[in-house]
Amino acid sequence: NAGVTQTPKFQVLKTGQSMTLQCAQDMNHNSMYWYRQDPGMGLRLIYYSASEGTTDKGEVPNGYNVSRLNKREFSLRLESAAPSQTSVYFCASSGLQINYGYTFGSGTRLTVV
Amino acid sequence: DAKTTQPPSMDCAEGRAANLPCNHSTISGNEYVYWYRQIHSQGPQYIIHGLKNNETNEMASLIITEDRKSSTLILPHATLRDTAVYYCIAGARRDSNYQLIWGAGTKLIIKP
Repeated sequence: NAGVTQTPKFQVLKTGQSMTLQCAQDMNHNSMYWYRQDPGMGLRLIYYSASEGTTDKGEVPNGYNVSRLNKREFSLRLESAAPSQTSVYFCASSGLQINYGYTFGSGTRLTVV
Repeated sequence: DAKTTQPPSMDCAEGRAANLPCNHSTISGNEYVYWYRQIHSQGPQYIIHGLKNNETNEMASLIITEDRKSSTLILPHATLRDTAVYYCIAGARRDSNYQLIWGAGTKLIIKP
């Protein structure tokens, strides 16, 4: 099915470990986004990529890095995980037309112990 | 982006219309109103958006007041599967993308 695919779906890390969350979309969208969602809260933007080759910080970028590998793929890296980064991470994409808004992946549930 | 205000929770009987209000009194002229919903902890799902005029699609209707300071999302015949958190967001296109600022939303519970 067309859409946004995130891997992995679940992950447990120890404090200080690193990992990369993967995201790929097959809708030929230009823009891609990484959000985090803490319990009972709305989504907060970590980083976004308006187009291939560009990335920009969002509301909560500290502790994260991103790579827009190509038009399809946008990865999020935690270099040294901290318990405060325990959250659900969502990747999303959008095209130049706003008709269908954002398309979201199913999320990665990350626990840092 | 304009801040939106929504009630934290609402109930609605199954089969009735669910009307979800949203205030966005500081919305600017080029900002659209978007509605998304999130079922359990799944990724949010786009519902509808509008600028000035009322909009309707297969999922819902969006009523925007003439001064654009508030809007209402209407689910005409709510079902149990409509139980979700509904987010109202005001946002505009910037730098070839759309950045949306999310609040806590309204938790809608549909009761049998």
